[in-house]
Amino acid sequence: EPEVTQTPSHQVTQMGQEVILRCVPISNHLYFYWYRQILGQKVEFLVSFYNNEISEKSEIFDDQFSVERPDGSNFTLKIRSTKLEDSAMYFCASSENLAGQETQYFGPGTRLLVL
Amino acid sequence: KQEVTQIPAALSVPEGENLVLNCSFTDSAIYNLQWFRQDPGKGLTSLLLIQSSQREQTSGRLNASLDKSSGRSTLYIAASQPGDSATYLCAVRPGNTDKLIFGTGTRLQVFP
Repeated sequence: EPEVTQTPSHQVTQMGQEVILRCVPISNHLYFYWYRQILGQKVEFLVSFYNNEISEKSEIFDDQFSVERPDGSNFTLKIRSTKLEDSAMYFCASSENLAGQETQYFGPGTRLLVL
Repeated sequence: KQEVTQIPAALSVPEGENLVLNCSFTDSAIYNLQWFRQDPGKGLTSLLLIQSSQREQTSGRLNASLDKSSGRSTLYIAASQPGDSATYLCAVRPGNTDKLIFGTGTRLQVFP
């Protein structure tokens, strides 16, 4: 069964460093998303991406964050200068988002720890 | 602003019991509602999606119902098994967005 994959599974970085989290969405999906979950808290929406542009973003997704689909398969989240409070599990998701096919499928996550 | 709440926060039951997990949301203008399972330290596995026009969806031992007007959904798990132990999350998609808004989750433990 097709699935969303994410790399790396864990990343440790120093505050102020740039990190890039990578995702390979399900191949025929058109919509891509990033969410995050700080330990012990709710899963929170960051950004959605369709047709090579951001379609929606949350107030968390400030200028330190960016997303890109550099080729036909990868979808990346870049955090330009990490802060301690960026430590969280980051989930990528994808969906077809056609009528009746709106289920969002999530990857296994990347656990980011900022020291 | 849409808020999603799940009760109970935690539930511990013996194997074989039928159980009900509750989800409530404050704004009934939703496009759909999705139930997920999350194992400790892992990703989210989609269980069921209910469109706003639907009343329920079934998959195996799972049945999810939706009462949009009252802002409620329930996930019914029949004949629970230890392998069902996980956190169950409900998420709503508001009618005018792509995003999902998640609840706080119900942590379920099924003991043998």
